[in-house]
Formats: sequence, C-alpha cells, structure tokens
Amino acid sequence: DSGVTQTPKHLITATGQRVTLRCSPRSGDLSVYWYQQSLDQGLQFLIQYYNGEERAKGNILERFSAQQFPDLHSELNLSSLELGDSALYFCASSVGPGGFTDTQYFGPGTRLTVL
Amino acid sequence: GEDVEQSLFLSVREGDSSVINCTYTDSSSTYLYWYKQEPGAGLQLLTYIFSNMDMKQDQRLTVLLNKKDKHLSLRIADTQTGDSAIYFCAETPGTGNQFYFGTGTSLTVIP
Repeated sequence: DSGVTQTPKHLITATGQRVTLRCSPRSGDLSVYWYQQSLDQGLQFLIQYYNGEERAKGNILERFSAQQFPDLHSELNLSSLELGDSALYFCASSVGPGGFTDTQYFGPGTRLTVL
Repeated sequence: GEDVEQSLFLSVREGDSSVINCTYTDSSSTYLYWYKQEPGAGLQLLTYIFSNMDMKQDQRLTVLLNKKDKHLSLRIADTQTGDSAIYFCAETPGTGNQFYFGTGTSLTVIP
C-alpha cells in the first residue's frame, strides 16, 4: 500500500459526459501527478501540481483539467468524453516539487470506461 | 515526447535470470528508472540510476546503463513467480518533473 488513495476504483460512463477523479496523496506529500495508461498510448504523464500550483504539464488534452486543493487532494476533470479516453488513470504523489530523486508513489488507479 | 522503447514480453523459468531491456532517445536524460506494475495495482519504483553511472546493484536487481547507445537494462537474479509483472523503464529529461515511460515489458515466470 503506497498511501496514495484514488476514488472511484471503476467508472463507467457514456460519450459526451464529464467525470471527476479524485486523488489523496500520502501524508506529507506536496506534489500530485496524474498519468493516463491506455493500450494504444502506453503510460503518459498528464500534469503535476505542487502545493496547489501547476508545476509541470505533459500530454494533457484541453478537455481535461486538474486542480489541487488546500488540503492537497487533487481532482482530475475529464469532459466531453470520447471512447478513446477509456483508460486507467493513475495519481502519484511525492514529497517535494519533483525532480530526479523525488520519488513518486503511485495510487491503485481509476479505471474509466467510456461507452 | 521522447521515445522510450521496450520489448513487450519476456518469459523465463523460475530460478533463472531475467534481463529486461529499454532504449531511449533523449541524450539529456539525467535519471532513468525502473517501475514494476503488478496486476490491478499502481506502479512501484524499483530502482533508478543517474546518467553518470554505468551500473547499480540492489539485492537481486542490477541496472546497467550504456549512455553511448542509450540502452538501459534491468537484470533480476533468481527470478521468482512473484516477479511476474509488467516492468516499465522511464526517463526524465531536463528538470526531472516530467516522466517518459516505455511501453512496458510483461514478465512471465514459469514455475
């Protein structure tokens, strides 16, 4: 158990809908990272927040947005969902602002299925 | 993004050594990582290596880095059935905030 929690575990929705995925980092961790894992794209970094501020941005679509709240939990919002958004979404957390030795601890993931 | 490539599947017998290979394209990569993903679970960091190192050993794990060929390998000695998982290599260019992951290698250990 990494200490990172994600809810829900599974989510099934329809195309065009909007969903919110939630992540609680490990106690004491200030950074939250979001990743998407799909069969065709592999594992891709989406975005990082550190202490409430966006820190780094990866291959995140404009239809997706994230935020980190004062209590450090984070939400990833996915809107106008398409079939291709079906994937496993991971959240990770780390103590610091990122960087080479700032170990990331991964949550169990949220499996999103878009029908 | 950067290209990080791995072979998709590897099958070994219990007790043998496993070698999982990874190639990357970004010459500015400073740290390279190996993660393990067990079925239904998140990624677990196994080890990492700094780009000025050639080798790092950690118990049954040995990481070899050939920076000239941009080739990284993970050797697991005395492979056990509990080692069956998907192994991802990842690299961080620049500031190290953004990770680029390989496609993952699915390791199957045959009893």
